[in-house]
Amino acid sequence: DQQVKQNSPSLSVQEGRISILNCDYTNSMFDYFLWYKKYPAEGPTFLISISSIKDKNEDGRFTVFLNKSAKHLSLHIVPSQPGDSAVYFCAASANDYKLSFGAGTTVTVRA
Amino acid sequence: NAGVTQTPKFRVLKTGQSMTLLCAQDMNHEYMYWYRQDPGMGLRLIHYSVGEGTTAKGEVPDGYNVSRLKKQNFLLGLESAAPSQTSVYFCASSLDWQETQYFGPGTRLLVL
Repeated sequence: DQQVKQNSPSLSVQEGRISILNCDYTNSMFDYFLWYKKYPAEGPTFLISISSIKDKNEDGRFTVFLNKSAKHLSLHIVPSQPGDSAVYFCAASANDYKLSFGAGTTVTVRA
Repeated sequence: NAGVTQTPKFRVLKTGQSMTLLCAQDMNHEYMYWYRQDPGMGLRLIHYSVGEGTTAKGEVPDGYNVSRLKKQNFLLGLESAAPSQTSVYFCASSLDWQETQYFGPGTRLLVL
């Protein structure tokens, strides 16, 4: 049973607009959340993370929001650029080294 | 600094054959991991290692074995391949358990 769910398999957005990716989790023990980005034929690369003691973390164009009561997090990319076209994985851990991943959301940025 | 490398990049096996996937990292990381990625599913942890000479089972360990004889290498073995093991395999490493995991480029395995 998947503990981390990304219910939107794909997202298409125009260049310059905001991309919003969503992720839900079921395990209340998760206390650290990450987003990874993956290009075809490459391994995932770390993008941004957030600890459960925070509700927002920002890094340049990328912001992650955490709503613990709803067990929901989101990734905002503003503005979206063509190089952002990739698969984005949400992941979570419960104070250990084992990551649980979502199935991924494929983002396509249109020119 | 190559990071995490995986060998081979692609392999086709017949059911029942065996093979070993090699993962190497040059970052002096203690922790290493093997994941598999299947369509519609996230990466799932097969086995992991918290240091040289140690291994432990992850979420989906059946049909796989691993060894960590050297700190920089983590080997994943399939003793008798099955079509259900057709997947993309990713190796990752991290300095410590709280640190970011760095992934290799993946190995595509097709079992006929």
